[in-house]
Amino acid sequence: NAGVTQTPKFQVLKTGQSMTLQCAQDMNHNSMYWYRQDPGMGLRLIYYSASEGTTDKGEVPNGYNVSRLNKREFSLRLESAAPSQTSVYFCASSEAGLAKNIQYFGAGTRLSVL
Amino acid sequence: GIQVEQSPPDLILQEGANSTLRCNFSDSVNNLQWFHQNPWGQLINLFYIPSGTKQNGRLSATTVATERYSLLYISSSQTTDSGVYFCAVTPSGGYQKVTFGIGTKLQVIP
Repeated sequence: NAGVTQTPKFQVLKTGQSMTLQCAQDMNHNSMYWYRQDPGMGLRLIYYSASEGTTDKGEVPNGYNVSRLNKREFSLRLESAAPSQTSVYFCASSEAGLAKNIQYFGAGTRLSVL
Repeated sequence: GIQVEQSPPDLILQEGANSTLRCNFSDSVNNLQWFHQNPWGQLINLFYIPSGTKQNGRLSATTVATERYSLLYISSSQTTDSGVYFCAVTPSGGYQKVTFGIGTKLQVIP
């Protein structure tokens, strides 16, 4: 049971380049999330998907787009990367429901934008 | 939005010592979780504890929802406990939007 799988693990981009971070979960969870982690700031929610076919903005959505491709997969796209998007990106999933929201995290993608 | 404050920000322990980490939150919550991020960056869910007390081996957690705080206890600390401990809450009425504190960085020395 792989849990939450993120690809790639590392990526270096030049300013203005685009890329898509991939995330897949095999736990049959309804909800999926993208976070970024910056030094001294904890994790901040970028976007989430409560269920297949829905997506919503989190705390820091600017500069990102997401796609909930199916129940298993949730991708994060940077259309025109900026140095401020240098960060570690985590994908998570949960069963969700009205209150129960135990989150399981992938190993992260370390992104540098030069 | 909801504010989450964790204390202390940094903690150094001798192996075998006990410690208490605190998480204060500014509004009522449906959900509270404690995570451990190991030195390799992996985030592991320790407890789902919106209220009450839970124990798992040397770790235990207590959340007093009415007073808006949670405590994580680590007993007989080991070097493998090193890393960052995060508290994450879901405010009542916003069950998908999880807010993390900035964490407590723990270093356990032999």
